[in-house]
Amino acid sequence: DAGVIQSPRHEVTEMGQEVTLRCKPISGHNSLFWYRQTMMRGLELLIYFNNNVPIDDSGMPEDRFSAKMPNASFSTLKIQPSEPRDSAVYFCASSLLVDTEAFFGQGTRLTVV
Amino acid sequence: RKEVEQDPGPFNVPEGATVAFNCTYSNSASQSFFWYRQDCRKEPKLLMSVYSSGNEDGRFTAQLNRASQYISLLIRDSKLSDSATYLCVVNKGFSGGYNKLIFGAGTRLAVHP
Repeated sequence: DAGVIQSPRHEVTEMGQEVTLRCKPISGHNSLFWYRQTMMRGLELLIYFNNNVPIDDSGMPEDRFSAKMPNASFSTLKIQPSEPRDSAVYFCASSLLVDTEAFFGQGTRLTVV
Repeated sequence: RKEVEQDPGPFNVPEGATVAFNCTYSNSASQSFFWYRQDCRKEPKLLMSVYSSGNEDGRFTAQLNRASQYISLLIRDSKLSDSATYLCVVNKGFSGGYNKLIFGAGTRLAVHP
């Protein structure tokens, strides 16, 4: 298996534009997580899906952020409109079962100018 | 109070030194615990799980103290390649057995010749 796949790896966009980040979890994993990492705040959990259903989105910072998981093999995180303070590395991770290891994708480095 | 707290470091140690990191967590109902390692500009990767009885993997030893709600990681005979950020991770858990991993901000280790 290729692991968790995220795209794009890097994204530079102008303030106000819509940004869509994509994630393909490891096949067979039933939990999917979106994290954001910055120097100031560390690694923050944004939203968590289990069996494609959002379980906890309390970490989503604002209504500008939305996430979907239309099927077991694909998830998106959308920011509309984007702002400079959204600049960060966004990681997607997946895990198989409760209490098991989460595998991370390589992340998307987002810069909003 | 943060759910998972770590000393950010950096810990600057010479090769061959023994170094210990501690981590405290706030939710006494947490079920499982992990140490992840993150190299610069890379994704976090599992280093080891932490079991109640303590566990060892080569030069690395992890311990859990449930009564005091802290976790430790001991690295013996440090190598240059151990230089990284070490993230303490706690599975917060939800009713129904859902998996919610909470990451500490990480402790930076720099091993020098």
